[in-house]
Amino acid sequence: SQTIHQWPATLVQPVGSPLSLECTVEGTSNPNLYWYRQAAGRGLQLLFYSVGIGQISSEVPQNLSASRPQDRQFILSSKKLLLSDSGFYLCAWSVSVDQPQHFGDGTRLSIL
Amino acid sequence: QQQVKQSPQSLIVQKGGISIINCAYENTAFDYFPWYQQFPGKGPALLIAIRPDVSEKKEGRFTISFNKSAKQFSLHIMDSQPGDSATYFCAASLSGSARQLTFGSGTQLTVLP
Repeated sequence: SQTIHQWPATLVQPVGSPLSLECTVEGTSNPNLYWYRQAAGRGLQLLFYSVGIGQISSEVPQNLSASRPQDRQFILSSKKLLLSDSGFYLCAWSVSVDQPQHFGDGTRLSIL
Repeated sequence: QQQVKQSPQSLIVQKGGISIINCAYENTAFDYFPWYQQFPGKGPALLIAIRPDVSEKKEGRFTISFNKSAKQFSLHIMDSQPGDSATYFCAASLSGSARQLTFGSGTQLTVLP
């Protein structure tokens, strides 16, 4: 069966520091991968999606970037974190465009 | 046109009652409408989904009703239980290369024992 792993579960970072969040999927090949951000008490906002290695699409202009160095690995990065980058970051995958998206348990990021 | 509006923001229901959450969309090109359930500290989990070629879909105690002409869809939870207490999100997506989901703002459901 397919599983998705995100780490770390929680992270506290100072303003201006770099960021790297990792997501990996097991049990499937060439999944669609997604990064979402969820602000407190709000819905999920799609940040990036990828349909294959090295293919990244960005939904909103921001201080973050994404990379997909391997088929089942999706990384969210920042060179310098802003206070506004705080939130709950969720990675998701789908086996194909017509199949549901499945979410990891997220990383709660706090910027001090 | 990409927005999905969800109501109510919060809902309190007695055990055994019916919970109803509503969503409305603007983009008539949306063709997939899932509902997700999220518990605190966890990622959303797919609950049930519907496509616009049907008006209703039922899975156990959960039912989606879909009104294409009104561009609305709703989630009904029958015989609500305290274990159903969670945040529920509706979403919609377009056909395309990656099926990006547009989410509603969420409804926090509390089922009282």
